[in-house]
Amino acid sequence: QQQVKQSPQSLIVQKGGISIINCAYENTAFDYFPWYQQFPGKGPALLIAIRPDVSEKKEGRFTISFNKSAKQFSLHIMDSQPGDSATYFCAAISNFGNEKLTFGTGTRLTIIP
Amino acid sequence: DTEVTQTPKHLVMGMTNKKSLKCEQHMGHRAMYWYKQKAKKPPELMFVYSYEKLSINESVPSRFSPECPNSSLLNLHLHALQPEDSALYLCASSQDPLQRASYNEQFFGPGTRLTVL
Repeated sequence: QQQVKQSPQSLIVQKGGISIINCAYENTAFDYFPWYQQFPGKGPALLIAIRPDVSEKKEGRFTISFNKSAKQFSLHIMDSQPGDSATYFCAAISNFGNEKLTFGTGTRLTIIP
Repeated sequence: DTEVTQTPKHLVMGMTNKKSLKCEQHMGHRAMYWYKQKAKKPPELMFVYSYEKLSINESVPSRFSPECPNSSLLNLHLHALQPEDSALYLCASSQDPLQRASYNEQFFGPGTRLTVL
């Protein structure tokens, strides 16, 4: 299966709080898991990505946690800021397949003051 | 230059019109992509060009016709579109589709907002 399931659909977090977005996949051929951030009127931009041979990757306030046995991964945004308000897409790709990114359904994140 | 540019930003066309979308990158990338994105949905892959050759066509209707004149340019020719084709059309590029040692990040342009009347 090529699906990547993403939740929640929308999320409201208070400034300074932790935002958590979850994704699950089925295809065990996926071997790279990027997260894209998209602001209104803009194209998606790569935020952070992880390979399944590590359980966690951190870049600044953004952390990916990866559970290979459960086929799940999540994005944590620490100290969430109003500027983080955007739509977030998880994605998956097989490096030895073609160039097809399989996107999750997206999470609209709103950070309130 | 680390960006993908797309023109026009907005396009309104009738169902009998012929128009083209243009995408350009000067990062030396050898893979270029067209995606369609409806509101509140993820991007859907339409076409992939690898080394200027069409490598993936996701069963897109023939009223959409891609063209890759050279390694920096990607066009999408539109003809006899339907109102349901209204969407944000995104172009993306990535470095080297034959390089499998690492993930080829896809860099997206800002998109063309297309409205079909």
